[in-house]
Amino acid sequence: NAGVMQNPRHLVRRRGQEARLRCSPMKGHSHVYWYRQLPEEGLKFMVYLQKENIIDESGMPKERFSAEFPKEGPSILRIQQVVRGDSAAYFCASSPGRLQGVGYNEQFFGPGTRLTVL
Amino acid sequence: KNQVEQSPQSLIILEGKNCTLQCNYTVSPFSNLRWYKQDTGRGPVSLTIMTFSENTKSNGRYTATLDADTKQSSLHITASQLSDSASYICVAKQTGANNLFFGTGTRLTVIP
Repeated sequence: NAGVMQNPRHLVRRRGQEARLRCSPMKGHSHVYWYRQLPEEGLKFMVYLQKENIIDESGMPKERFSAEFPKEGPSILRIQQVVRGDSAAYFCASSPGRLQGVGYNEQFFGPGTRLTVL
Repeated sequence: KNQVEQSPQSLIILEGKNCTLQCNYTVSPFSNLRWYKQDTGRGPVSLTIMTFSENTKSNGRYTATLDADTKQSSLHITASQLSDSASYICVAKQTGANNLFFGTGTRLTVIP
């Protein structure tokens, strides 16, 4: 039972290019979360998706960032026209149910994608 | 403002010794508190989860405590091992919210 998978692990882009980060949740998980970790800072929530639906994007920058979780395939975090400030580690997590469901659904994190913008 | 603060920022201890990491949170309304271990270059891995009604929870050599009145938590590591070297992150969840609030972590280094 593979864990959460993210690719690529490292991504280098020049300013103005597009970055696409992929996340395959654990088998059986239909809830995906994206977080960003800037150097020397804690993880910050970006977006929460279920299959084909964005549930909460309150942590997502209003411009240049978008996320999707199609019916088939991985979840994608897309950053258009990257700038140096986008350099960070981007983590994806998945869970079997909603965090505010009964109990406290565990989140399982992927290894992250480290984006460097030159 | 919903925040999670941790101390110390970094800690160096000798192998075999115990240590305690601290966490203060202002997340409200509070649902649960989690401790994660994050190795360099890896994603966080859950150690413990406690709701406001739980005071302590253990996971092997890791014991977490929670005081929901003072909004403080601690993570105690006993008989430390070299493999315990990592960042330990305190995370609080808000009731009714979809996201988690992360502290910046305590960087623990265990030396032989």
